[in-house]
Amino acid sequence: GDQVEQSPSALSLHEGTGSALRCNFTTTMRAVQWFRKNSRGSLINLFYLASGTKENGRLKSAFDSKERYSTLHIRDAQLEDSGTYFCAADSGGNYKPTFGKGTSLVVHP
Amino acid sequence: GGIITQTPKFLIGQEGQKLTLKCQQNFNHDTMYWYRQDSGKGLRLIYYSITENDLQKGDLSEGYDASREKKSSFSLTVTSAQKNEMAVFLCALRGGSYEQYFGPGTRLTVL
Repeated sequence: GDQVEQSPSALSLHEGTGSALRCNFTTTMRAVQWFRKNSRGSLINLFYLASGTKENGRLKSAFDSKERYSTLHIRDAQLEDSGTYFCAADSGGNYKPTFGKGTSLVVHP
Repeated sequence: GGIITQTPKFLIGQEGQKLTLKCQQNFNHDTMYWYRQDSGKGLRLIYYSITENDLQKGDLSEGYDASREKKSSFSLTVTSAQKNEMAVFLCALRGGSYEQYFGPGTRLTVL
């Protein structure tokens, strides 16, 4: 089965509210990275974590290697936050991060 | 900082045509990747290269060739474009702390 399970696959938020995206791992991962897909289809780096938490503006991410999960929290969602978010986890040693299937976020007025 | 450049930005091909996409980077990092992204789907790894002249197949290598003749460049060839195919091809590299950085992408349309 997939090593990275990302949820939810789709999320709808009202402007000003918040929620969390989650990636669960079936094996121990060394690090996790969160991306957002831009209008051209490329991936923009949001966070890279080998442990602990990081925060940037209205986004906060956490990674727990032992418990095998990572989260991306969005607070005070804005319309421009709409898009697809991906996590990618690195198990170390094989040069191939494993991507989640993505979360499609729509923020409504 | 550095730059990842992908050319062309848009590529329109004909069914059966051989098409080449190029990726260049000036980060001086070793490991580079080619991914394919189809609308509504996740990323699929086509090829990756750990260093100059190295090539490793990903999960979707069939129908593609790759070339890493220089550390700074990684090319991908679609050996025979499929009719009505539409996808974004993303080049990425692996940074010093193992994080990935993505290029701007090449959008392929096959008529």
